[in-house]
Amino acid sequence: EDQVTQSPEALRLQEGESSSLNCSYTVSGLRGLFWYRQDPGKGPEFLFTLYSAGEEKEKERLKATLTKKESFLHITAPKPEDSATYLCAVQAQASGSRLTFGEGTQLTVNP
Amino acid sequence: EPEVTQTPSHQVTQMGQEVILRCVPISNHLYFYWYRQILGQKVEFLVSFYNNEISEKSEIFDDQFSVERPDGSNFTLKIRSTKLEDSAMYFCASSAEQGFLSTEAFFGQGTRLTVV
Repeated sequence: EDQVTQSPEALRLQEGESSSLNCSYTVSGLRGLFWYRQDPGKGPEFLFTLYSAGEEKEKERLKATLTKKESFLHITAPKPEDSATYLCAVQAQASGSRLTFGEGTQLTVNP
Repeated sequence: EPEVTQTPSHQVTQMGQEVILRCVPISNHLYFYWYRQILGQKVEFLVSFYNNEISEKSEIFDDQFSVERPDGSNFTLKIRSTKLEDSAMYFCASSAEQGFLSTEAFFGQGTRLTVV
């Protein structure tokens, strides 16, 4: 069974204070690992797809990296508007197109 | 920018009633999905739909649930006889043709279903 564990559950940062969110996964053949952002009461908003260990992707203040067991979402000099829940999801080669999500990390950035 | 749209945004229904949740996926996408998120819990896969048939479903998607693409644009989720535990946010998603590499799924804003 595919499993995704995210840590920490919640993270409070001051504006400008960089940090990283962790996503550990167990999957029978990774097809893709996805990061989404979710604002309260809204649907997940796509951020990144990573396919293989060593891959990195960047978008503004966010950078996602992937190893064979985990992924990190690095947030550099965050702003209050980066406050949201960040979701990690995996898609397994044996599981068709379904995404298995983690519980998410709720990020709060204080001004 | 193309987006997935869902209606209604909020639906309140009596236990035992049938509900239909509606979605308009992104126009050139071929894969369609329903996920749900119970308050405070993780997003869970329900069903995927491709080429006018269910391609995969989870153990949650039992006989009470059905999906349909009645025309070229809409994608619906029907719950035949709602239970209290069906109360959740339901998300529709769509993705483009998938080859060897996966393509990202784009989600709608959700329908909050409340069963009373």
